[in-house]
Amino acid sequence: RKEVEQDPGPFNVPEGATVAFNCTYSNSASQSFFWYRQDCRKEPKLLMSVYSSGNEDGRFTAQLNRASQYISLLIRDSKLSDSATYLCVVNTDDMRFGAGTRLTVKP
Amino acid sequence: NAGVTQTPKFQVLKTGQSMTLQCAQDMNHNSMYWYRQDPGMGLRLIYYSASEGTTDKGEVPNGYNVSRLNKREFSLRLESAAPSQTSVYFCASSEVVAGPHNEQFFGPGTRLTVL
Repeated sequence: RKEVEQDPGPFNVPEGATVAFNCTYSNSASQSFFWYRQDCRKEPKLLMSVYSSGNEDGRFTAQLNRASQYISLLIRDSKLSDSATYLCVVNTDDMRFGAGTRLTVKP
Repeated sequence: NAGVTQTPKFQVLKTGQSMTLQCAQDMNHNSMYWYRQDPGMGLRLIYYSASEGTTDKGEVPNGYNVSRLNKREFSLRLESAAPSQTSVYFCASSEVVAGPHNEQFFGPGTRLTVL
């Protein structure tokens, strides 16, 4: 079983749609959680950290459920520029990345 | 600030050849990392260096060696390349290894093909 598992995708949504990504992790000792964004043939970049109380950054909302070992990312009012692969990342002793969920936002 | 730089950007090797991937960061970070990214697998940690003078194995260290040359530079060496090492290699750095503010900054990647 992979340490970090994500929805395989791809997600194809129209502009303005709301889309949610899910991620589960296996190590209950994990301490920190992140969502990274990776554009095609580019390096990953931090989108947002995920805090226990949940956090929001503009159109993006991240939630953490430690009991279920589950992380989510919600994107509201999708833009064309949101098209990318979204990586769920869990930090225990080192960073473990999910395989990513690909999102395409269409006009 | 250049952030994290990697050389080369592309490389083609024959099976059995050796090479070193170079990585440097100018953010005065303590920790540095080498990952490989394969389709459907996500990024997997090869080796990391929590601080200058230390290195540790990650998830997939076999076939690789690393050197933390100084605080800025962290190199990855393939002694005898194999086709299974065809991948995109990313170097990254962060202030510390763990913690809620442990943002990692990535280099642009090296696309390696082993024939």
